[in-house]
Amino acid sequence: EPEVTQTPSHQVTQMGQEVILRCVPISNHLYFYWYRQILGQKVEFLVSFYNNEISEKSEIFDDQFSVERPDGSNFTLKIRSTKLEDSAMYFCASSDSDTVNTEAFFGQGTRLTVV
Amino acid sequence: DQQVKQNSPSLSVQEGRISILNCDYTNSMFDYFLWYKKYPAEGPTFLISISSIKDKNEDGRFTVFLNKSAKHLSLHIVPSQPGDSAVYFCAARLAGTALIFGKGTTLSVSS
Repeated sequence: EPEVTQTPSHQVTQMGQEVILRCVPISNHLYFYWYRQILGQKVEFLVSFYNNEISEKSEIFDDQFSVERPDGSNFTLKIRSTKLEDSAMYFCASSDSDTVNTEAFFGQGTRLTVV
Repeated sequence: DQQVKQNSPSLSVQEGRISILNCDYTNSMFDYFLWYKKYPAEGPTFLISISSIKDKNEDGRFTVFLNKSAKHLSLHIVPSQPGDSAVYFCAARLAGTALIFGKGTTLSVSS
C-alpha cells in the first residue's frame, strides 16, 4: 500500500540552526501539506502546496519557514533559524485532490527537538 | 480560536462496549468532517468521514453522526476492541482548504 514517508524520524538541533525535514508523498498525489503537533496539543496546519506553489498557509508559517519540491518526489520543510518553541512532531501529508471529500494521508512524522 | 473542539482528553471503555467520542465545531460553513486515529510514533490514519449534507455514515464497527444544528459530531465504535486504543482526532474542512484538527481524545479499551 502506498504511503507517505518522512525522514529523519527524529532530529535534534541547536537553537538558531537551520533544519530541513524531508517527505516523500504518495507518488500520484498532487497536494502536499505540513502539519505539526506540539506535545500535548492539537495537530496544527502549517502550509499546503500545489503546482509548485503555496496554496494556503497558517499564521504559524512565518518567514522562518519555507517549503520546496526540489524534484519529482521530495517535499521539504525548512526552518531557517530554529527556536525552542519549534520543538514538535512535524507531519507531512498528501492527497490526490483538494475537493472537500478527499482525505489526506499522513506520514509517520519527524520529531524535532530544539535544544 | 478553536474551531474544532474535543472537550474530553481521554475516555476509558471496556472491551465489547460502545465507545463514543465527541467533537464540537464553531464554523457552520464546514463542508466535511473526518476522524483520524493515531497510534504512538505513527502519523494520523484516516478512519471515517461524513459530508455536511448527511447525518450518519457507517463503516463496519465505526459510525459517525452529525448534528448540524448543534454543530456536533460523534464517533461510535461498537464493539470496542483493545486494538482501538489510540488517540482519535476530529477534523473539519471547507472546500479547497486544509484540514483543521481538534486536540484529540485518547481512547483506552481494556480487556
